[in-house]
Amino acid sequence: DADVTQTPRNRITKTGKRIMLECSQTKGHDRMYWYRQDPGLGLRLIYYSFDVKDINKGEISDGYSVSRQAQAKFSLSLESAIPNQTALYFCATRAPGGETQYFGPGTRLLVL
Amino acid sequence: QKEVEQDPGPLSVPEGAIVSLNCTYSNSAFQYFMWYRQYSRKGPELLMYTYSSGNKEDGRFTAQVDKSSKYISLFIRDSQPSDSATYLCAAWGQKLVFGQGTRLTINP
Repeated sequence: DADVTQTPRNRITKTGKRIMLECSQTKGHDRMYWYRQDPGLGLRLIYYSFDVKDINKGEISDGYSVSRQAQAKFSLSLESAIPNQTALYFCATRAPGGETQYFGPGTRLLVL
Repeated sequence: QKEVEQDPGPLSVPEGAIVSLNCTYSNSAFQYFMWYRQYSRKGPELLMYTYSSGNKEDGRFTAQVDKSSKYISLFIRDSQPSDSATYLCAAWGQKLVFGQGTRLTINP
């Protein structure tokens, strides 16, 4: 079984809809991240969390919100989706003191 | 200017060629440097990482960091079609910053 899972894997939604992307991990890591990936722009950090009570904005947090429901679960919400949020979204985890981030398989989101 | 710059390619080479992938960075505080490999429709996976300047070799892959010139390199020897992927460089200071990724194709 994968250590970092994301649901759904693909999603098509309409402008103005609220959607949630979910991430779960079995690695026991306390640090979790949400990134988006766009062609030519690489991976950009949206939000990150060092534990359940610690949530931090990344470089492109506008239009997004997150919830850390438990150490193993970190959800990303788009309150009112817009077409320029069409992208590939990745969740990642990291152990304390470690430099390596472990990525999930990604969610491909299309906003019409 | 992005903190980590990488030529997005695409780069296409014949099987067996030596591949050189490069990045530059601007933040002197970066201490760890990584290369991630991302296959189509998959998440990035860590390929190699180095601490500070120097070389690190793992099989056909060699990662090289020159902090004096702020240059990061990945060399792939005897390249194989299975090496076809997007390669992302990344640097870690207090946060992990990624380059744009280079799409590499190895042609049989």
